Amino acid sequence: DAGVTQSPTHLIKTRGQQVTLRCSPKSGHDTVSWYQQALGQGPQFIFQYYEEEERQRGNFPDRFSGHQFPNYSSELNVNALLLGDSALYLCASSMLAGGKETQYFGPGTRLLVL
Amino acid sequence: RKEVEQDPGPFNVPEGATVAFNCTYSNSASQSFFWYRQDCRKEPKLLMSVYSSGNEDGRFTAQLNRASQYISLLIRDSKLSDSATYLCVVNAAGNNRKLIWGLGTSLAVNP
Repeated sequence: DAGVTQSPTHLIKTRGQQVTLRCSPKSGHDTVSWYQQALGQGPQFIFQYYEEEERQRGNFPDRFSGHQFPNYSSELNVNALLLGDSALYLCASSMLAGGKETQYFGPGTRLLVL
Repeated sequence: RKEVEQDPGPFNVPEGATVAFNCTYSNSASQSFFWYRQDCRKEPKLLMSVYSSGNEDGRFTAQLNRASQYISLLIRDSKLSDSATYLCVVNAAGNNRKLIWGLGTSLAVNP
């Protein structure tokens, strides 16, 4: 049973460019949450998708958008990249069962914006 | 007050020591509590969910104090491999599916 997978593992972009990050959830999970983690910080919630719709959103600008596909995989898109977008982007998958939910993380995509 | 607060440390302890971390949260209605462990440049991994009655998993014990709004993690007989950052996670106010993360507490176990 594959865990959460993310691609690519590393990415270098320049300011103003656009980037797309991808995530496949654990088998049986229907929910994908995206986080940004800067060095020395805890993960910051970007948004969450289930049933192919954005259901929750953190305090991130509209430059951050996403999508969830029928197979539950998800993409995170960031437009007009800024230097401050350099971070580890984490995807977590989960499913709500019996009122309980636990998130499991992929290895992350390390984005560097120059 | 931050939604989830942790002492960032670092905590430097010798092998075999017992170490405890506390985490305070601001939302009195929170229902979900977790401890995650994160190694340097890796993703967070679930260490324990925290239940109302407290729970233990080997050398690790987690407790919840709703009255004072904090959760704790106790590590007994520390191993070198316990060196990591420990992240406290609580669900957001009025939203069981949105998690709020602390900044993490750094632990270094020394030989």
